[in-house]
Amino acid sequence: DSGVTQTPKHLITATGQRVTLRCSPRSGDLSVYWYQQSLDQGLQFLIQYYNGEERAKGNILERFSAQQFPDLHSELNLSSLELGDSALYFCASSVSGTSQETQYFGPGTRLLVL
Amino acid sequence: DAKTTQPTSMDCAEGRAANLPCNHSTISGNEYVYWYRQIHSQGPQYIIHGLKNNETNEMASLIITEDRKSSTLILPHATLRDTAVYYCIVRVRNNDMRFGAGTRLTVKP
Repeated sequence: DSGVTQTPKHLITATGQRVTLRCSPRSGDLSVYWYQQSLDQGLQFLIQYYNGEERAKGNILERFSAQQFPDLHSELNLSSLELGDSALYFCASSVSGTSQETQYFGPGTRLLVL
Repeated sequence: DAKTTQPTSMDCAEGRAANLPCNHSTISGNEYVYWYRQIHSQGPQYIIHGLKNNETNEMASLIITEDRKSSTLILPHATLRDTAVYYCIVRVRNNDMRFGAGTRLTVKP
């Protein structure tokens, strides 16, 4: 158990819909990262937050957005969903997000878009 | 970040050492080598990391060659629960950890 929690574990929705994935980092960690893992793309970095502020963006679509709240939990919002958005979404956290910190991953949310 | 090359798959007998190689010939001086593993769609699990020296922890040992162009992750006594995809990652920035295809390790009874 990494100490990172994610909800829900599974999500089934329809194309065009909007969903919100939630992540709670490990106690004491200020930085949160979101990753997407699809069958054909592998694990891809989406976005990072540090203490409520966006720090870095990866391959995140404009239909996707995220935020980190004052209690440090984070939410990833996916809108106008397409079939290709079906994937595992992982959240990771680290203490401060500096260069060589280890990231600890949550169990993931499996999203299925029908 | 430097690119890594890993074998697609490997087998190991239960109880034996599993040695997983990784080539990172373009690694730069300030890039660390990290190893993670992913067991059947669970979240990636941190194993070990290093810069120049060999490292050991309760899970594994990491051997980095002197020129730093390759490394080997060693699981000293593999168990069935070590069956997973193992990712070798080299990075300097924490916010762009790039996972490749990894090595699928199968531990057989």
